[in-house]
Amino acid sequence: DAGITQSPRYKITETGRQVTLMCHQTWSHSYMFWYRQDLGHGLRLIYYSAAADITDKGEVPDGYVVSRSKTENFPLTLESATRSQTSVYFCASSESGSGGHPKNIQYFGAGTRLSVL
Amino acid sequence: SQELEQSPQSLIVQEGKNLTINCTSSKTLYGLYWYKQKYGEGLIFLMMLQKGGEEKSHEKITAKLDEKKQQSSLHITASQPSHAGIYLCGAVTPGYALNFGKGTSLLVTP
Repeated sequence: DAGITQSPRYKITETGRQVTLMCHQTWSHSYMFWYRQDLGHGLRLIYYSAAADITDKGEVPDGYVVSRSKTENFPLTLESATRSQTSVYFCASSESGSGGHPKNIQYFGAGTRLSVL
Repeated sequence: SQELEQSPQSLIVQEGKNLTINCTSSKTLYGLYWYKQKYGEGLIFLMMLQKGGEEKSHEKITAKLDEKKQQSSLHITASQPSHAGIYLCGAVTPGYALNFGKGTSLLVTP
C-alpha cells in the first residue's frame, strides 16, 4: 500500500527487553522523523533523518537507537525498554525541497502504541 | 527553545456552532502547520501558513497567521460531528522537524 506504515500497531513488552518499531514509506521522501506522544507533553521529537545513513538526535533521544540503511525504512529501537517509554510512537516523512531542506508538510503514520510492563 | 501554547485545551460545542482554536508561539513563526488527530489514529495535515496575514480555508475550516507572526487561529464554521478530534499546531524548527503544541480536544455534540 502507498503511504507511510508503522508496525506493529500495538506492542506489549517487559522492562529490559529490546524492542524495534518499524516505519516504512513508499514516497521516497528524504526526511523521516520519530515522535512520541504522551499526555501532558504532546508530541516530542526523538530522532530524525535527512537521508539514508544520516540521522540526528531530537529532543528526547536517550534510550533509543535509529538506523536508516534504506531511504524507505526508518526503524526505532528501544535498547532496554523502561516503563517511562510507554507511549504512542509516530513516524513521519517529508519531501526534500530546494537546497535540500524539507518541504515541511510531514505525513504521519497511524502510530504504534507501546506498553512496557 | 520555542514554545507553542494552544487554547483552549478542550472544547465541547453543539453541532452547528462556530468555534476558534488559538496557537500562540513564544517566538516568531516561520511556518505554522495545523494537523487533526482522530482519537487513536495518526495526524492528518490540514493547512500550512507561512506568511504573516496569510489565511487559508478548506471546506469549513479557516486558518490564519497573524501579521506579527506569533499567533495562529483555526476557525470552524457550523461544526459537525466529523470535526471532532484533537487539533495540533506545529512550528518548523531549525532541524526541520516540527515543534507541536499540546493540542486542543474538540467534541461536537448533537
